[in-house]
Amino acid sequence: GQSLEQPSEVTAVEGAIVQINCTYQTSGFYGLSWYQQHDGGAPTFLSYNALDGLEETGRFSSFLSRSDSYGYLLLQELQMKDSASYFCAEGRDDKIIFGKGTRLHILP
Amino acid sequence: EAEVAQSPRYKITEKSQAVAFWCDPISGHATLYWYRQILGQGPELLVQFQDESVVDDSQLPKDRFSAERLKGVDSTLKIQPAELGDSAMYLCASSAVRQGLNTEAFFGQGTRLTVV
Repeated sequence: GQSLEQPSEVTAVEGAIVQINCTYQTSGFYGLSWYQQHDGGAPTFLSYNALDGLEETGRFSSFLSRSDSYGYLLLQELQMKDSASYFCAEGRDDKIIFGKGTRLHILP
Repeated sequence: EAEVAQSPRYKITEKSQAVAFWCDPISGHATLYWYRQILGQGPELLVQFQDESVVDDSQLPKDRFSAERLKGVDSTLKIQPAELGDSAMYLCASSAVRQGLNTEAFFGQGTRLTVV
């Protein structure tokens, strides 16, 4: 079954900032990554955190707190093209396990 | 730019028939994954290869599903017989690094299977 929890949907306004949270199972965990998937497309890698702290890549940032078994993806200066599903995925026991995904809706 | 190739893109089959999907990972990628994704859900790992060896197939329904990667390069996933509940997107992914160092996987465009 799924060991990652993330909200099913989030809505934000174009130009704003949105945070998508993810909690994970700790057993065998070694890192948390984030993927974006547009409708009809394949998941594409966004970021990876193995250590606590913030990783920034352009408008996207990802954060990890191992002590809280928690991470988030932060999207800034939202654009309409950011409308997609976002998955957190944990590296655990040599596997990549995906969450159920968060559907991001962006309003003009 | 190197990419993961999958075929076919779409497949419609009748229940109880056999169906096969093919994946060619990015050259040099030792790890290959097959995931199944039902609409509105996250990808579910079916099987993972390291070179030609299966390292995890705990979620593969082995009574009807089989997967192979004979030469450690391309891979085939087979379903026989197909059932209505197998309708989903089947995604292949590959990664260069040994797990534990990174979880960046590169996905193909998938095969959308419809069982009628």
